[in-house]
Amino acid sequence: EVQLVESGGGLFQPGGSLRLSCTASGFTVSNYYMTWVRQAPGKGLEWVSLIYTGGDTDSAASVKGRFTISRDNSKNTLYLQMNSLRAEDTAMYYCARRYISGFHFDFWGQGTLVTVSS
Amino acid sequence: QSALTQPASVSGSPGQSITISCTGTSSDVGGHNYVSWYQQHPGKAPKVVIYNVSNRPSGVSNRFSGSKSDNTASLTISGLQAEDEADYYCSSYTSSSTPWVFGGGTKLTVL
Repeated sequence: EVQLVESGGGLFQPGGSLRLSCTASGFTVSNYYMTWVRQAPGKGLEWVSLIYTGGDTDSAASVKGRFTISRDNSKNTLYLQMNSLRAEDTAMYYCARRYISGFHFDFWGQGTLVTVSS
Repeated sequence: QSALTQPASVSGSPGQSITISCTGTSSDVGGHNYVSWYQQHPGKAPKVVIYNVSNRPSGVSNRFSGSKSDNTASLTISGLQAEDEADYYCSSYTSSSTPWVFGGGTKLTVL
């Protein structure tokens, strides 16, 4: 059974850093494009970052230079390193898997909440 | 401001049909057949209900259907049921610097 479990969220100060983790089971992370999508409280979905099977990455302009997506193949885990945090980064962060031969996200984790506030 | 434009809310009575629109540009909706729709119930993760404009994943009711014309995609839910009440988001692959974009979401209320 495919599962994605996020962790690492909490309350953080502006300007601070944190790393989110997304542990996968039931499939091999390195064989799929993996992504992070966030949702601010009461707001819509926003695509954040993606890592391709070859290891290349893409990020939204709003986080470029501050957030870094990566993976650890030995742990079958996806990460999002978040630096220079801003209040507007407050959101539920979901990791998701891109369908292997398509352009949609077929499995999502339950999310981890990041709150940036002093 | 979201890259794709959706109505903020739609409503319908049980048994009726509703349609949610999703308007983009030639760089996203109009340029690819990679539009997907996600259903999100309160406090839950999104779930894909339509992909590649009109395809349904296994396990999704055939009451859900999708289509596209030019830069606008649409999700139709027929035979509305109480369990369909949720937020719906469209998404598209894009040929811009941001490979995926979402709509702002539409709240469906079943009256």
